[in-house]
Amino acid sequence: EAQVTQNPRYLITVTGKKLTVTCSQNMNHEYMSWYRQDPGLGLRQIYYSMNVEVTDKGDVPEGYKVSRKEKRNFPLILESPSPNQTSLYFCASSLPDARLAGSGNEQFFGPGTRLTVL
Amino acid sequence: EDQVTQSPEALRLQEGESSSLNCSYTVSGLRGLFWYRQDPGKGPEFLFTLYSAGEEKEKERLKATLTKKESFLHITAPKPEDSATYLCAVLGSSARQLTFGSGTQLTVLP
Repeated sequence: EAQVTQNPRYLITVTGKKLTVTCSQNMNHEYMSWYRQDPGLGLRQIYYSMNVEVTDKGDVPEGYKVSRKEKRNFPLILESPSPNQTSLYFCASSLPDARLAGSGNEQFFGPGTRLTVL
Repeated sequence: EDQVTQSPEALRLQEGESSSLNCSYTVSGLRGLFWYRQDPGKGPEFLFTLYSAGEEKEKERLKATLTKKESFLHITAPKPEDSATYLCAVLGSSARQLTFGSGTQLTVLP
């Protein structure tokens, strides 16, 4: 079954304690991205990757890191989480679309990770 | 800066009552406009990509249209299972990332 998996699905942590949210896809997609979703603000992109070892900042990258060492995995790292990073996080993957200058089209989203930072 | 505004914020329909959702956008050189559906507690699910003004796409009871300033998602004879939040997003020529609207929460009553 084609899918994007995220772990953990729920996480409560404390300020400053480093954490990693994993994302994996089994569709051989080049394009992967991370979003956060907050009430009234919609989905905002944190980072994206157009292929292995190629990553770039989205709209709200501050406080986050990513890496893309393998095509299937795209972990999101919070080195020193703060309460304003409490949010619902989604990972997504897709094939690149030449008509979108290589950006992803028809993105498959994971089930989400609900993070609370106390 | 790309901007997307969706209206209404919430819409309640009776089963079979057709209606339209609006997505107004400002973007420097539209590369694509996207519609997604999101059910509570789940990730968004892709519906349509529209690339240029005048383009239309259909899927079951849904039809998406695009002009130079806005897109409409027409829902014909909706059913309760169409209840969800519908998200619109744009990709401009100067950006690599999507800009999403806040969504329209649709409730279809039996």
